[in-house]
Amino acid sequence: VQLVQSGAEERKPGESLKISCKDSGSSFTSNWIGWVRQTPGRGLEWMGIIYPGDSDSRYSPSFQGQVTISVDKSISTAYLQWSSLKASDSAIYFCARSPMLFYYDSDNRFTYRTGDVFDLWGQGTKVTVSS
Amino acid sequence: QSALTQPPSASGSPGQSVTISCSGTSSDVGAYDYVSWYQQHPDKAPKLIIYEVTKRPSGVPDRFSGSKTGNTASLTVSGLQADDEADYFCGSYADNNNFLFGGGTRLTVL
Repeated sequence: VQLVQSGAEERKPGESLKISCKDSGSSFTSNWIGWVRQTPGRGLEWMGIIYPGDSDSRYSPSFQGQVTISVDKSISTAYLQWSSLKASDSAIYFCARSPMLFYYDSDNRFTYRTGDVFDLWGQGTKVTVSS
Repeated sequence: QSALTQPPSASGSPGQSVTISCSGTSSDVGAYDYVSWYQQHPDKAPKLIIYEVTKRPSGVPDRFSGSKTGNTASLTVSGLQADDEADYFCGSYADNNNFLFGGGTRLTVL
């Protein structure tokens, strides 16, 4: 099982971009997929996460409104997109799988938790934004 | 929310043990037993080595261990080997369905 990301991209400020992450296994709708930014100065930053089954998503407050996370479950692929890039968006972007861990809660309801660990990572996509 | 706090560097000789700390708050590390640790070699993707504070995924050597006291989590690498030289990041589930990473610690095997 692998998460295979699209290749490196170069864009100018103000341009749009959509990068992808394809799940090569058979469990695309059994896990959530998150996106993580890595920059030399700021380390790893969690951007958000999405459930491919119904496109339910959660965003970090730092990235809400700045990017859009989406999926096409018919091709087991998640996306991260920008409508207007800035130079500060230059970074390496990783997709990562977050498993759904099912349990009975205190009211005996069958539920799950997710987004608390990332157990499989894509190889990363380098995005360079420069005029 | 701020990133979790890690020392920028750590080092040890082969065979020794080294411990890396990860300091958070009562809204993340202190609130949940969902601390994870990731190892990243240069130009590679991060790899999960510890989850739920103390658990190791299949295939991760038992030389790697995790713990937590209050708002601070720790990763201990025992019996240091040359291949342990890498960057290590902690992560924690946080309030309001957020997730935070630490700034990373570069481990050097002397």
